Amino acid sequence: DQQVKQNSPSLSVQEGRISILNCDYTNSMFDYFLWYKKYPAEGPTFLISISSIKDKNEDGRFTVFLNKSAKHLSLHIVPSQPGDSAVYFCAARDFGNEKLTFGTGTRLTIIP
Amino acid sequence: NAGVTQTPKFQVLKTGQSMTLQCAQDMNHNSMYWYRQDPGMGLRLIYYSASEGTTDKGEVPNGYNVSRLNKREFSLRLESAAPSQTSVYFCASSELGVDGYTFGSGTRLTVV
Repeated sequence: DQQVKQNSPSLSVQEGRISILNCDYTNSMFDYFLWYKKYPAEGPTFLISISSIKDKNEDGRFTVFLNKSAKHLSLHIVPSQPGDSAVYFCAARDFGNEKLTFGTGTRLTIIP
Repeated sequence: NAGVTQTPKFQVLKTGQSMTLQCAQDMNHNSMYWYRQDPGMGLRLIYYSASEGTTDKGEVPNGYNVSRLNKREFSLRLESAAPSQTSVYFCASSELGVDGYTFGSGTRLTVV
């Protein structure tokens, strides 16, 4: 039972445009959400997070939106750059628990 | 600043052979994790250790054992490797209150 789902395995976006990566979750106990970025042959690296008490968090070109009623979060990257080409994982955890549940990942390709 | 170090980076095993994947972190984190990454499956938790001396099963623990040797080191052992254990294995560490995990660069394991 996949508690965190990324339904788009891949996404291609023109350089300079907005990239939107989506993630859905089923566990209503999740209260903290994170996005990780992974390059080939490297481990995932933390990108941005959001608490369930917020609906938006912004860090430079990256913004994460959370819609609790829909159990949906999204990562917006604007403007998209070639270096953003990577696999992006969303992850979630529930209160007081450090364990993360990861989604299946979305491969983002930025087209120059 | 090494972060999380995993050894080896690559390994080929024959079915039935055993091996231990090593992981060490130098950030004084209490919690450590072992994940496997498979195509279309994302990152799945095998085992984790919330503190030195404690270990707990994750989502996919069958066929694996772990040892939290000390605060720095968390090893993953395959007693009798099977082709289904062909995967990329990631070790990670975290500290409560600090955003996200720090991952190692991974071990690519092939069981033939």
